[in-house]
Amino acid sequence: DSGVTQTPKHLITATGQRVTLRCSPRSGDLSVYWYQQSLDQGLQFLIQYYNGEERAKGNILERFSAQQFPDLHSELNLSSLELGDSALYFCASSPTYSNQPQHFGDGTRLSIL
Amino acid sequence: TQLLEQSPQFLSIQEGENLTVYCNSSSVFSSLQWYRQEPGEGPVLLVTVVTGGEVKKLKRLTFQFGDARKDSSLHITAAQPGDTGLYLCAGASGAGSYQLTFGKGTKLSVIP
Repeated sequence: DSGVTQTPKHLITATGQRVTLRCSPRSGDLSVYWYQQSLDQGLQFLIQYYNGEERAKGNILERFSAQQFPDLHSELNLSSLELGDSALYFCASSPTYSNQPQHFGDGTRLSIL
Repeated sequence: TQLLEQSPQFLSIQEGENLTVYCNSSSVFSSLQWYRQEPGEGPVLLVTVVTGGEVKKLKRLTFQFGDARKDSSLHITAAQPGDTGLYLCAGASGAGSYQLTFGKGTKLSVIP
């Protein structure tokens, strides 16, 4: 158990819809990272938050957004969903924002029908 | 864009055999991490290597970071069925953050 909690575990929805994925980091960790894992692209970094502020952006689409709340949990919002958004979405956390190993949750499997 | 190429993509071996997985890039990374991921779970960190030429051992697993910090290898001695999984390497870079660039992984199957 990594200590990182992601909900829901599975999500099935239709094209054009909007969903919210939730992540609770390990106790004491201030940084949260979001990743997308698909069969053809592998694990892709989306965005990082540190203590409530956006720290780094990766390959995140404009239809996607994230935030980190004062209690340090984070949410990833995916809107105008397309079939290609079907993937595993992982959250990871680390104590600070640099040079720390990341601990991953078990992911949310998003299926777009 | 920094890329990490992992090889082989798939590896199926008999229990007791040795194997090496490679992770190569044209970019320099400040550190490199190896993860193992099992179906339905998130990646689990195995090791972090930081210094060029560094070698780290974790029981039957030996990790090496290239001298130029562009490549790494993972060697498993006497593989066991419990070693089965997806092995991912990830390079760290980016000032002030800890962005990880992942390879696509090597899927290892160890047959009893």
